Amino acid sequence: DSGVTQTPKHLITATGQRVTLRCSPRSGDLSVYWYQQSLDQGLQFLIQYYNGEERAKGNILERFSAQQFPDLHSELNLSSLELGDSALYFCASSPGLAGSEQYFGPGTRLTVT
Amino acid sequence: GQNIDQPTEMTATEGAIVQINCTYQTSGFNGLFWYQQHAGEAPTFLSYNVLDGLEEKGRFSSFLSRSKGYSYLLLKELQMKDSASYLCAVDNTDKLIFGTGTRLQVFP
Repeated sequence: DSGVTQTPKHLITATGQRVTLRCSPRSGDLSVYWYQQSLDQGLQFLIQYYNGEERAKGNILERFSAQQFPDLHSELNLSSLELGDSALYFCASSPGLAGSEQYFGPGTRLTVT
Repeated sequence: GQNIDQPTEMTATEGAIVQINCTYQTSGFNGLFWYQQHAGEAPTFLSYNVLDGLEEKGRFSSFLSRSKGYSYLLLKELQMKDSASYLCAVDNTDKLIFGTGTRLQVFP
C-alpha cells in the first residue's frame, strides 16, 4: 500500500459524458501527478500540481482539466469523453518537486462505451 | 524531443540473470528511475540513479552512464513473481518521462 488513494476504482460511462477522478496523496506529500496508461502503452504524464498550484503539463487534452485543493487532494476532470479515453488513470504523489520517488495510487480504470 | 527506448519484451528462466536496457535522449536530466508494474496494478519504485555507476539493492541492481544516455536494470536469481513490466523513467526537472516498458516473462 503506497498511501495514495484513488476513487473510484472502476468507472464505466458513455461517450460525450463527463467524469471526475479523485486522488488523495500520501500524508505530507505536496506534489500530485496524473498519468494516463492506455492498453499496451506506457505511462503518459498529464499534469502536476504542487501545493495547490499547477507546476508542469504534459500531453493533456483540452477536454481534460485538474485541480489540487487546499487539503492537497486532487481531482482530474474528463469531459466530452471519447472511446479512446478508455484507460487506466494513475495518480502519484511525492514530497517535493523533483528528484524524489513518486508513489502511485491503485489507479482508476475508465471504460468509455 | 524526448525519447526513451527499452526492449518491448524479454523472456528468462527462473534462477537466471536478466539485464533490461534503457537508452534516453531528453532535454533535461536529473536522474533515472526504474519502476516495476504488474499487469493492471500501480507501478512500484525499484531504484533511482543520479550519478554514474552501479547501485545494488538486493537481487536488483541499476546502472547509469549519463555521458552515454544509458541505463540498465539487472535482476538476479529470477523468481516467477518477477514476471512484470519494467519501466525506465527520466526525471526531467519537474516531471517523469516514462519509456513504454519492458515486459519480462519468467519461465520455470
